[in-house]
This record gives sequence, C-alpha cells and structure tokens, in this order.
Amino acid sequence: GENVEQHPSTLSVQEGDSAVIKCTYSDSASNYFPWYKQELGKRPQLIIDIRSNVGEKKDQRIAVTLNKTAKHFSLHITETQPEDSAVYFCAASTSGNEKLTFGTGTRLTIIP
Amino acid sequence: NAGVTQTPKFQVLKTGQSMTLQCAQDMNHEYMSWYRQDPGMGLRLIHYSVGAGITDQGEVPNGYNVSRSTTEDFPLRLLSAAPSQTSVYFCASSRLAGVQDYEQYFGPGTRLTVT
Repeated sequence: GENVEQHPSTLSVQEGDSAVIKCTYSDSASNYFPWYKQELGKRPQLIIDIRSNVGEKKDQRIAVTLNKTAKHFSLHITETQPEDSAVYFCAASTSGNEKLTFGTGTRLTIIP
Repeated sequence: NAGVTQTPKFQVLKTGQSMTLQCAQDMNHEYMSWYRQDPGMGLRLIHYSVGAGITDQGEVPNGYNVSRSTTEDFPLRLLSAAPSQTSVYFCASSRLAGVQDYEQYFGPGTRLTVT
C-alpha cells in the first residue's frame, strides 16, 4: 500500500520567515495530495490540496508544490505568523480523496 | 449545518468491554471514514464507506466493526476493547472522488482510554 513520509517532525521558525515541510510518497498512482492543519486539541482542517495534473497551487501565504517524477510534494508558508503554530499533516491517495494515507506530522512553532 | 458530529467526546473502558462510537453528518456526503490518531503516527484509516450499505477496511481494521445503514450515520464498534486501542478517534466525511469539492470534513474526535 501507499507509504507517506514527512519531514521534519518539528520545525521552529522566526515570525515573518518562511517554513517548508516536505513529504514523499511511494505509490506512483497517487493523484491527490491534501495538507491538514491541526491545532492543539482540535480536529484536522484542510488548508490546501493539489491534484496530480497540477505542479503548484497557491492560496495567499500558503503554497504546495508537487514533483511527480521524484514522488514528493511540499508545503510552503510565507510571512509566518503566531497563529500558524500547529501540527501539519500531509496525505496522499490513489483514489481521489478516498483512503487517504497520512504522514506522521510536523509540529511547527512560530517564534515571536 | 452541524457538519460532522461525534459522541462521546471522552470515554474510559476496561479491557474486554465493548462500545460504539457514534458519527453523524448532515452534509449528504457519500464518503465517510474513521481514523485513529496516536502520538507520532499521524492518522491511520480504520474503515471507510462510499455509501449506505457499503463498507471496507482501511489500514488498521482489526478489533473494529462498522456499518452504514443510512447516509448520515457511520458508527464504529469496538468488539472487545484492548489497551492498544487507547487513542483519539476521528470520523470524517466528504463528497466522492470525481466531484469538485474533495475536502474531507473531520468531526471533533473521541478520546478513548482503555485500562
């Protein structure tokens, strides 16, 4: 089955700087790659997603890039703010949004 | 819309007890799923359903049963609780793949402790 690896497990960034989280996946048939943000004690919430027919997608300060050849995708957060502090999860699926396989998460801390 | 709701929020069980975690959604979503979240392991898929009467196993199905008699409800049953099932359980729902809106909406979670 699909295997998703996520790095780093923890990341501390000065407020205003950029943060990058990387994920690799094993199944070349994967076609959907969402990113979720989970604040402490809360439910995961989708922040951005990308499909395999697109190389990059941007939504304000957040962007995701996909390299299908290398089988990796990355989350980029620019101009980080304290409210960006949370755990971020990447995921992948071979069947749209069904049967998501998640990475192990990255705890992002924004230092004021 | 209430979105995805889960009950209970917290539960403590003794080893060997059984219980059902409830999940309901009011968005008319075809797809529903259950995940467990353990420290350092992300979310792992337990069971999922693509519609009423249809269920299938995910990555970690052992010790759990599901059924989907209606579009709205997708209960998760622990048959004989074990300490290894101590975890936070999330239910999620979404439209089926192929539809424009892919987002999976998660419920608030159930924190289960098995002693």
